[in-house]
Amino acid sequence: AQSVTQPDIHITVSEGASLELRCNYSYGATPYLFWYVQSPGQGLQLLLKYFSGDTLVQGIKGFEAEFKRSQSSFNLRKPSVHWSDAAEYFCAVDGGATNKLIFGTGTLLAVQP
Amino acid sequence: GAVVSQHPSRVICKSGTSVKIECRSLDFQATTMFWYRQFPKKSLMLMATSNEGSKATYEQGVEKDKFLINHASLTLSTLTVTSAHPEDSSFYICSASGRGGTGELFFGEGSRLTVL
Repeated sequence: AQSVTQPDIHITVSEGASLELRCNYSYGATPYLFWYVQSPGQGLQLLLKYFSGDTLVQGIKGFEAEFKRSQSSFNLRKPSVHWSDAAEYFCAVDGGATNKLIFGTGTLLAVQP
Repeated sequence: GAVVSQHPSRVICKSGTSVKIECRSLDFQATTMFWYRQFPKKSLMLMATSNEGSKATYEQGVEKDKFLINHASLTLSTLTVTSAHPEDSSFYICSASGRGGTGELFFGEGSRLTVL
């Protein structure tokens, strides 16, 4: 069965510091992978997605993610975090290209001034 | 990008009453809509898949008689929580995908249900 693991429940970084949020997935073939961001009380906004091709994916707001098949990972990165990046981040997988997403438990990002 | 709107954003109701939440795709036709439930500090759990003009497909463990889903048009899906109880209190989020399949889902803003 498909599953997504986000090992870090809560991360705090200083503004301007780099960020990496971890995501591991379980699926037999190459899945479709997504990162979403959720601000408090809001819906989800797509940051980036990986379907195929270049394993380094660029997204909005300066985020990028790298698909590593050997590690079953799809970690999200940003070189310099802004205070407005404080939010909850969800990694998701669609194993059957059905748009039926399986979400990780999320990582809550706090940004210190 | 495409816009999905949910209404109401917040609703408080008494135990035993029914509540309807609407999910609309504002600028595209959504052949498929998904309803998720999010518990505090938890991930989003897929409740059901709603296809226009057909019955919804519910995930295992979701009571279809309690969570009624209707997708009567290409721009509107509704979730009705029937005979709501306090344990139904949650954040409900819908998402929609359009024709053509870009692989992207568009999410609504969510609806916070509180059952007293």
